[in-house]
Amino acid sequence: QVQLVQSGAEVKKPGSSVKVSCKASGGTFSSYAISWVRQAPGQGLEWMGRIIPILGIANYAQKFQGRVTITADKSTSTAYMELSSLRSEDTAVYYCAIAAAGVHYFDYWGQGTLVTVSS
Amino acid sequence: QSALTQPASVSGSPGQSITISCTGTSSDVGGYNYVSWYQQHPGKAPKLMIYDVSNRPSGVSNRFSGSKSGNTASLTISGLQAEDEADYYCSSYTSSSTQVFGTGTKVTVL
Repeated sequence: QVQLVQSGAEVKKPGSSVKVSCKASGGTFSSYAISWVRQAPGQGLEWMGRIIPILGIANYAQKFQGRVTITADKSTSTAYMELSSLRSEDTAVYYCAIAAAGVHYFDYWGQGTLVTVSS
Repeated sequence: QSALTQPASVSGSPGQSITISCTGTSSDVGGYNYVSWYQQHPGKAPKLMIYDVSNRPSGVSNRFSGSKSGNTASLTISGLQAEDEADYYCSSYTSSSTQVFGTGTKVTVL
């Protein structure tokens, strides 16, 4: 059984950056693809991007290209999502979710991290 | 990549069946058998209910079923129960090697 534990809530100023972590346990970290999905208050789910740790390759939704960076540290089984140039519209709960190698669905999710962007 | 289109809300009485549609394009839903469905209760993380169009993960009730025709996928909940009241999202793999979610459907049990 895989568990994903995310870092705690953050409050950020507009124009700053935030980095959220997602630590995996109970599985083979390198064999997964780890995605980040966000949900603004009262809104739907939005896929931001993914990384495959064993390859070190990330790809991103066009909307976030140039503003999001997803990385992974295989030694600690931790994935990171950094979002820059924050604006109020980035206020959301950010989830990490994993997909096993070669599959395109998310069977394990983190608990979510609330990021609030406010001056 | 635009979000997949779902009805904003669907309702039904206990015991009834309801169906939620998820419409995309030939670059996502229609092009791959990689549609999945997620249930989300308020304040909780999404839960996988269906994967690869019609497969149920272990532990998910067989009251949940999925199908696809052309660019539209569907989730059917039969024998509707109070605990099925939640938001439901479809998701699909895309031709850009990305994922896209649907707009979400609120299911209300009357």
